[in-house]
Amino acid sequence: GQNIDQPTEMTATEGAIVQINCTYQTSGFNGLFWYQQHAGEAPTFLSYNVLDGLEEKGRFSSFLSRSKGYSYLLLKELQMKDSASYLCAVRENRDDKIIFGKGTRLHILP
Amino acid sequence: DAGITQSPRHKVTETGTPVTLRCHQTENHRYMYWYRQDPGHGLRLIHYSYGVKDTDKGEVSDGYSVSRSKTEDFLLTLESATSSQTSVYFCAATGTGVGSVYNEQFFGPGTRLTVL
Repeated sequence: GQNIDQPTEMTATEGAIVQINCTYQTSGFNGLFWYQQHAGEAPTFLSYNVLDGLEEKGRFSSFLSRSKGYSYLLLKELQMKDSASYLCAVRENRDDKIIFGKGTRLHILP
Repeated sequence: DAGITQSPRHKVTETGTPVTLRCHQTENHRYMYWYRQDPGHGLRLIHYSYGVKDTDKGEVSDGYSVSRSKTEDFLLTLESATSSQTSVYFCAATGTGVGSVYNEQFFGPGTRLTVL
């Protein structure tokens, strides 16, 4: 089975940088996803990591350490529109099942 | 949305009635998933499919069944709806094309189901 943990809520200031952590335990790992979800909307894909290291995509970066079962999503130059929930999800290599953590609600203060 | 639609978008039903939710995709994705999302629980996997007529259970499959008779459609059925199944249901799909590494999961817009 899987166990995915991320903080429930975080608060940051507009223009700042915030790091959202995700730790996971899985019997077989085949990739980690990050999604953004605004209230009342469907999740939208942000990033995918399957190898160790940092993937950068504009203001958003995602890091993975498979040996530590750890990932983070880094958001730079925060904007008010970044206020949303951020979901970490892990895919198992045994059956391609994709399981989500409970999500981190990010509040951006002006 | 990568061509994923869900129907209906909203439904109110009574306890004990059967309900079927439909997910339709136009991108030939191999894998399809049904999730429910509830406050405090995040997205929980109900059932998923790894091909036509190939399905498996997720984390919270009790009270739900699925069918996938063709690539583009994945149906979720509540045989006898209960109030605990009041939720927002999301369909998702991934994996398409030759050589794909299935590295993006696309979501439908969601179905809000209320069981009275």
